[in-house]
Amino acid sequence: AQKITQTQPGMFVQEKEAVTLDCTYDTSDPSYGLFWYKQPSSGEMIFLIYQGSYDQQNATEGRYSLNFQKARKSANLVISASQLGDSAMYFCAMTGGWVQGAQKLVFGQGTRLTINP
Amino acid sequence: DAGVTQSPTHLIKTRGQQVTLRCSPKSGHDTVSWYQQALGQGPQFIFQYYEEEERQRGNFPDRFSGHQFPNYSSELNVNALLLGDSALYLCASSFIRGEGYNEQFFGPGTRLTVL
Repeated sequence: AQKITQTQPGMFVQEKEAVTLDCTYDTSDPSYGLFWYKQPSSGEMIFLIYQGSYDQQNATEGRYSLNFQKARKSANLVISASQLGDSAMYFCAMTGGWVQGAQKLVFGQGTRLTINP
Repeated sequence: DAGVTQSPTHLIKTRGQQVTLRCSPKSGHDTVSWYQQALGQGPQFIFQYYEEEERQRGNFPDRFSGHQFPNYSSELNVNALLLGDSALYLCASSFIRGEGYNEQFFGPGTRLTVL
């Protein structure tokens, strides 16, 4: 079974600083995907970034980058130059269990990020 | 291009009642997944539908059932509601064509309160 662990319930960061949100995972599947989602107070899950287990390079999407360390089973999200609008819940997720052409996402508990002006 | 839509946005029910939640996937997507997100928790996978069949199911009782229609839209039904069913129910659509990559686009959710 797949498992995602996010050990930081809350993070407080000053505006314009960089922030790293931690994520470790566990799986026995050789092929998997790792995702980060942002969930503002409105509730909608917003896709941020994806990393495939066979990707050699760390994924980047604008101010977001994923620090993928496969041997350590970690997939930390780095947000550069944080903005007030980055305040939200952040979830790390991974694909789990390919069954009959279907695949679920397994989520961690989330980290609440607060950006202070 | 419309994204994933869900209805209703909010719902209040009493214990023992039944509820139906609806979801329309993003254009071009053929797979719909449902997740339950309790307050302060990460989403938990309920089930996934593809080609009008339930393909995979999470650890949820039979009170939770679903359906997918030929136009790929989907319904989630919950019978005999319990207080613990109060949660945000998220629908996600995707176009799965291989292991590993499975970007799921989420709708705004339906917030269900059971009294």
